[in-house]
Amino acid sequence: EADIYQTPRYLVIGTGKKITLECSQTMGHDKMYWYQQDPGMELHLIHYSYGVNSTEKGDLSSESTVSRIRTEHFPLTLESARPSHTSQYLCASSESRGRALGLSYEQYFGPGTRLTVT
Amino acid sequence: AQTVTQSQPEMSVQEAETVTLSCTYDTSESNYYLFWYKQPPSRQMILVIRQEAYKQQNATENRFSVNFQKAAKSFSLKISDSQLGDTAMYFCAFSPANTGNQFYFGTGTSLTVIP
Repeated sequence: EADIYQTPRYLVIGTGKKITLECSQTMGHDKMYWYQQDPGMELHLIHYSYGVNSTEKGDLSSESTVSRIRTEHFPLTLESARPSHTSQYLCASSESRGRALGLSYEQYFGPGTRLTVT
Repeated sequence: AQTVTQSQPEMSVQEAETVTLSCTYDTSESNYYLFWYKQPPSRQMILVIRQEAYKQQNATENRFSVNFQKAAKSFSLKISDSQLGDTAMYFCAFSPANTGNQFYFGTGTSLTVIP
């Protein structure tokens, strides 16, 4: 079982509230990712980070923001939640040491946060 | 652009039988990696099996094996002796080497194992 944690697991919140979804990993992985997934649907990359103080937007436009101040921590923040933000958010991490060798390591996923905005 | 296609949104199989899930991908990269992930209902996504494109031998993990056809850009997953615990969404994923570990996922196949 991968050591990557997400809190909260479930969140119901009203429109306009600011929320932060937490993600932490204890594997020392440099790379971390946030995906948005509607139930039974594909994953969409919304943010990723290759290390401390490095963050990039993914393929899917998102109104959320992320930060990476510590290697193990990659929180995602919504300044003003809307019903369109209702979804499942998955955090993942992976190694990067093999990059110079052309290697690609699998991503380890957290349990997800299911967000409902009313 | 890299794309991953899973053409079977839903599948079912009798317990103890064998089932094959299809995946095709499109890329101009020559060196890459392919993965199958499993996402049980309300549970964490976990890696089932991975395949390096430069290896001709198909990967195998216990009851799970792949049929990797590089020329056809096909990467199917075979599950033998299906068990009730295999009921899950299965996602095929592609990751080019030397590109920072970017992943591209298919839309998933929902597999139900029938007792």
